[in-house]
Amino acid sequence: AQKVTQAQTEISVVEKEDVTLDCVYETRDTTYYLFWYKQPPSGELVFLIRRNSFDEQNEISGRYSWNFQKSTSSFNFTITASQVVDSAVYFCALGSNYGGSQGNLIFGKGTKLSVKP
Amino acid sequence: ETGVTQTPRHLVMGMTNKKSLKCEQHLGHNAMYWYKQSAKKPLELMFVYSLEERVENNSVPSRFSPECPNSSHLFLHLHTLQPEDSALYLCASSQVVTRGDTQYFGPGTRLTVL
Repeated sequence: AQKVTQAQTEISVVEKEDVTLDCVYETRDTTYYLFWYKQPPSGELVFLIRRNSFDEQNEISGRYSWNFQKSTSSFNFTITASQVVDSAVYFCALGSNYGGSQGNLIFGKGTKLSVKP
Repeated sequence: ETGVTQTPRHLVMGMTNKKSLKCEQHLGHNAMYWYKQSAKKPLELMFVYSLEERVENNSVPSRFSPECPNSSHLFLHLHTLQPEDSALYLCASSQVVTRGDTQYFGPGTRLTVL
């Protein structure tokens, strides 16, 4: 089965706190890709990162960092020193040969992050 | 214009109306997608087009009819919709249709069916 689970439905933090958004995936593919997208209230999904299954190096981009662990099938996302502008719904997605077709992205249900001043 | 654009941004229609959603990508991509995002479900892939040919149709009711006249434009024609079709409809594009290619999304059309 191909599945993405984001167990945290909503998270609320105060500005400058660090916050980690969890993502657990299931796939039978040996080659797959993981993505994170941000959806602000305007609605557009903004691409944040793509990671392939053979690259387990953690990545840092400014205040954002990602921790990919194949052993636990997790691809967690941490925002350091959160800001109000980080308030959005964050989606984790899996790109794999789902059902034999290429190009499908399987999305989690999203985590709504609220950062209060 | 840059990225992926969608018009209209908001649409209210009755169940007997016919309307169309438009998507345009300015990224030089060859693949385009329609997704449905409703409050109680994860994003659902509806249709995939590669080089103007439909390559995926995920059991979408026939009241939704896609059209891809060229690799830059994608339409979703709507007729006799139901209230449960109210949702945010997102268009996306990618260079090609593969599991590893990043999809870039438009801002969506918020559809309300009365």
